[in-house]
Order: sequence, then structure tokens, then C-alpha cells
Amino acid sequence: EADIYQTPRYLVIGTGKKITLECSQTMGHDKMYWYQQDPGMELHLIHYSYGVNSTEKGDLSSESTVSRIRTEHFPLTLESARPSHTSQYLCASSIPGTSGNEQFFGPGTRLTVL
Amino acid sequence: DQQVKQNSPSLSVQEGRISILNCDYTNSMFDYFLWYKKYPAEGPTFLISISSIKDKNEDGRFTVFLNKSAKHLSLHIVPSQPGDSAVYFCAASALQKMGNNRKLIWGLGTSLAVNP
Repeated sequence: EADIYQTPRYLVIGTGKKITLECSQTMGHDKMYWYQQDPGMELHLIHYSYGVNSTEKGDLSSESTVSRIRTEHFPLTLESARPSHTSQYLCASSIPGTSGNEQFFGPGTRLTVL
Repeated sequence: DQQVKQNSPSLSVQEGRISILNCDYTNSMFDYFLWYKKYPAEGPTFLISISSIKDKNEDGRFTVFLNKSAKHLSLHIVPSQPGDSAVYFCAASALQKMGNNRKLIWGLGTSLAVNP
């Protein structure tokens, strides 16, 4: 089972601030993902990476950016937070070679932008 | 348009009885289906999956049934326990056109309440 860590768990911040949501995994998974989820809604893929120096935008347009300099680390950055960015952000990774793309999730970051 | 549909937003079941959560999909290219469980303020946890070459997969109290002709799958929990109370997400995947990669397409989730 994967160990996925996300910090902070909760963040309340004012409009216009720059924030970075951290995500790390200790299992050496090549594939990592960022999802955004609002209550009662499905998980929307906003970014993914298939390995170091590989990043792609997901199905839901997002103003955030990501980087993948190390296999274990996949941070997400918002240059200027807005109230519309208020949501839960979930990071995941998947086991190399697993059929079906079984993903393991971190605990999430609940972001509130005032 | 939702490719993976969970038409029941909520379900309430008595402890010890069977819980049946349903999921429908529209994309015939989906060939792998997964169920995740999510507690509030936590990330989803993988529960059970099924490949399209099977029609049933069982793991303890959890069984997933797949009906490809109807594009329908269901998760059965027997017996249901209060600790099963959570939101259950159905997800599906297919190989992407480019490369050997997959993405998960998620349903909206069904909130299950198991009453003591």
C-alpha cells in the first residue's frame, strides 16, 4: 500500500496570496495526480505526471501549476489565490504496471480562500 | 456529459443487511472499473476492482458485479456495518489513444449510511 502525504491538511488564506500544496509519496510510483473535489461532485483531474519532468494538464482547467523535479514530490502552486479556488485538493499516485490504474490517495488539503 | 453515473446520491441501510450501490457507464471503451470509499476530510480509499473480462469479483464482504451488455456495475456489501458509512465512488478507465496510459473517470458518489 502506498504512503501519500499532503500538507497542509487545512488552509485558510486571503485573496491574492501565493500558495503551494505539498504532496509526497514514499513508494517510488512514477505516476502522480492532482484532483479537485467539491462536496457532492465527482473528482476532477487537474494535473498529472507520468514521471520526473513530465507534467500534463487534466480534464478540468485549473489556474494552478505543478512541477515534478523528484519522483516522490509533486507540489501544486497557485500564484494568486481567489475565492473560486476554494475546494478540496487530492493528490494520488499509482502503482507502475497496474492494469486499470488503481490509484492511492493522500488525505487531501481543504483550501478556503477568503 | 457524465460518462460514469451514480444515480442514487444517498442510500440508507440497516446494520447486518445488504447494501447495493449502483453505477452505470456510457463509454464502451472502459475496460476496468474500480470502487473507492471516502470518509469526510480524507482521501478516497481503494476498495475493489473488476476487469471487463470478468462479471464478478469478491473480496470479503465486498462483491462487485459487472453487466457489460447493460453497461452497469454494482457493489454489494454484506453484511453492512456502521463503519461502512461513507461516500462510495465508482470509477472507470480505458487506455488512452496515445501511449500506454490510463485515466480514471469518476462518478458523483453515493453516500451510504448504515444504521445500527
